[in-house]
Amino acid sequence: AQSVTQLGSHVSVSEGALVLLRCNYSSSVPPYLFWYVQYPNQGLQLLLKYTSAATLVKGINGFEAEFKKSETSFHLTKPSAHMSDAAEYFCAVSEGRGGFKTIFGAGTRLFVKA
Amino acid sequence: KAGVTQTPRYLIKTRGQQVTLSCSPISGHRSVSWYQQTPGQGLQFLFEYFSETQRNKGNFPGRFSGRQFSNSRSEMNVSTLELGDSALYLCASSREGGAEAFFGQGTRLTVV
Repeated sequence: AQSVTQLGSHVSVSEGALVLLRCNYSSSVPPYLFWYVQYPNQGLQLLLKYTSAATLVKGINGFEAEFKKSETSFHLTKPSAHMSDAAEYFCAVSEGRGGFKTIFGAGTRLFVKA
Repeated sequence: KAGVTQTPRYLIKTRGQQVTLSCSPISGHRSVSWYQQTPGQGLQFLFEYFSETQRNKGNFPGRFSGRQFSNSRSEMNVSTLELGDSALYLCASSREGGAEAFFGQGTRLTVV
């Protein structure tokens, strides 16, 4: 069965500092992996996705993530945090294409300090 | 291209009532999934429909049901509402063969 673990329910960084949000997954087959961002009272917006092409995936807003099969990890990074990055971030795994059952992690709320 | 549209955005219902939420997917997307988001349980998968058929189902009681129409629009129904059903209900659509889901802004349901 698929599962996703996000380490740290809250992460706080200073503006301009590195952002690192951790995600580990379990899947019985090669997975599709995603990072989504959610702003208050909004839906989820896709940041980036891994679908078995390049292991380093670049997304929107300067975010990127690296798929490491040996560590079953898919950590999200951004070199320099901006105040507008403050939001909740969700890692997700899907074992199928299309609208198959996508499992989400518990989420990590990112705080950015001025 | 219009995104996923959910209506209504906000809803207040009384315990014991029933409610129907609507979702219009992105044009051309035939898969629609529903999720419940609460502070305590996070994002939980309810069910997924493809070509008017339920293709996947999460672990929710039978009070939660859904359907999909021939134009891919979907509705979700919750009967005999409980206080614990208060949540943000999110709908997502995907194109056939696509890997990612595109989400609507959600319907905030409050049960009093």
